[in-house]
Amino acid sequence: AQSVSQHNHHVILSEAASLELGCNYSYGGTVNLFWYVQYPGQHLQLLLKYFSGDPLVKGIKGFEAEFIKSKFSFNLRKPSVQWSDTAEYFCAADLGAGSYQLTFGKGTKLSVIP
Amino acid sequence: DGGITQSPKYLFRKEGQNVTLSCEQNLNHDAMYWYRQDPGQGLRLIYYSQIVNDFQKGDIAEGYSVSREKKESFPLTVTSAQKNPTAFYLCASSISAARETQYFGPGTRLLVL
Repeated sequence: AQSVSQHNHHVILSEAASLELGCNYSYGGTVNLFWYVQYPGQHLQLLLKYFSGDPLVKGIKGFEAEFIKSKFSFNLRKPSVQWSDTAEYFCAADLGAGSYQLTFGKGTKLSVIP
Repeated sequence: DGGITQSPKYLFRKEGQNVTLSCEQNLNHDAMYWYRQDPGQGLRLIYYSQIVNDFQKGDIAEGYSVSREKKESFPLTVTSAQKNPTAFYLCASSISAARETQYFGPGTRLLVL
């Protein structure tokens, strides 16, 4: 079955540390990829997305992600995290033409220590 | 302000009772979705609707029902057949169902008494 995997359940970092959250998907065809973030008490909101073109995409709040087709990966990065980045991060993929569905990973909770 | 509203924020259900969760959007989006979020499970799709008067089952539709009589509204009913309804329910919409960004509402937390 097609799926999206996030490698880390909970990541704890100190402020100014670099962040990389892993995301892999299992599907051999064309995919659209997304990272969503859920801050405590807030709506799930879009961080960034990849549909086509440059595989390095930049999102809001200094986040970026790189699509590596050969590795079926779409890892999220930020060079220096802040306490306000504490949230849960979800990778999602539209797996298959006309699927009309997003498949979500199980999420990674990020805690940033001041 | 354009957006998605869900009500109520918290909902309590007694055993054997059906409850309906409201979702309204004023974004003029054609497609709407219902997800269930459980701790450590991510989001799982319950139902989606590409257009008015049309909807399809997602991965976990058993015990749920929906209707789409108006473009802006997509209510979800959690029936008594849903044996484990306690969860956080998220409604989303997108311009169309064809590979578009989905925008999410604030969610409804359903608790079984």
